[in-house]
Amino acid sequence: EDQVTQSPEALRLQEGESSSLNCSYTVSGLRGLFWYRQDPGKGPEFLFTLYSAGEEKEKERLKATLTKKESFLHITAPKPEDSATYLCAVQGANAGGTSYGKLTFGQGTILTVHP
Amino acid sequence: DTEVTQTPKHLVMGMTNKKSLKCEQHMGHRAMYWYKQKAKKPPELMFVYSYEKLSINESVPSRFSPECPNSSLLNLHLHALQPEDSALYLCASSQVWAGGATNEKLFFGSGTQLSVL
Repeated sequence: EDQVTQSPEALRLQEGESSSLNCSYTVSGLRGLFWYRQDPGKGPEFLFTLYSAGEEKEKERLKATLTKKESFLHITAPKPEDSATYLCAVQGANAGGTSYGKLTFGQGTILTVHP
Repeated sequence: DTEVTQTPKHLVMGMTNKKSLKCEQHMGHRAMYWYKQKAKKPPELMFVYSYEKLSINESVPSRFSPECPNSSLLNLHLHALQPEDSALYLCASSQVWAGGATNEKLFFGSGTQLSVL
């Protein structure tokens, strides 16, 4: 069974204070690791897809990296508007029909950036 | 247009009511999904439609009835719900449902916040 664990559960930063969010995963045949941002009462918004260990992707103040067991979302010089819940999800291969390629989400990290 | 539109945004219903949630996308996607999300929890998959046919039902109670009238529309019919069904219901779409053969990025709508009294 695919599993995703995110840490920390909540993170409070001052504006400009860089940090990282962690996503540890176990999956049978990784097809993709996804990062989403979710604002309260809204649907998740896609940020990145990572496919293989060593891959990195950047968007504005965010940079996502991937190893064989973990992914990190690095936030550089965050602003209050970066406050949101960040969700990590994995999509595994159809390993004997146990996951059939559906997304398995972590519990999320609630990020609060204070001005 | 990269939007998934859901209506209504908010819904309050009694346990004897019948209501429907609607979802629409015009990205040409052939896979559409219903997710349920409780407060401070991740989204949970309910149903997957691929080319207008139901591909996945995650053992969802029959009081939830999905319908895909065409490739752009997805409905979720609700009947005799329980208070524990109160949640944010999210619709999503992707280019195709690959069933694990490849990865697929999901586009989510803003959701319908459902309260069952």
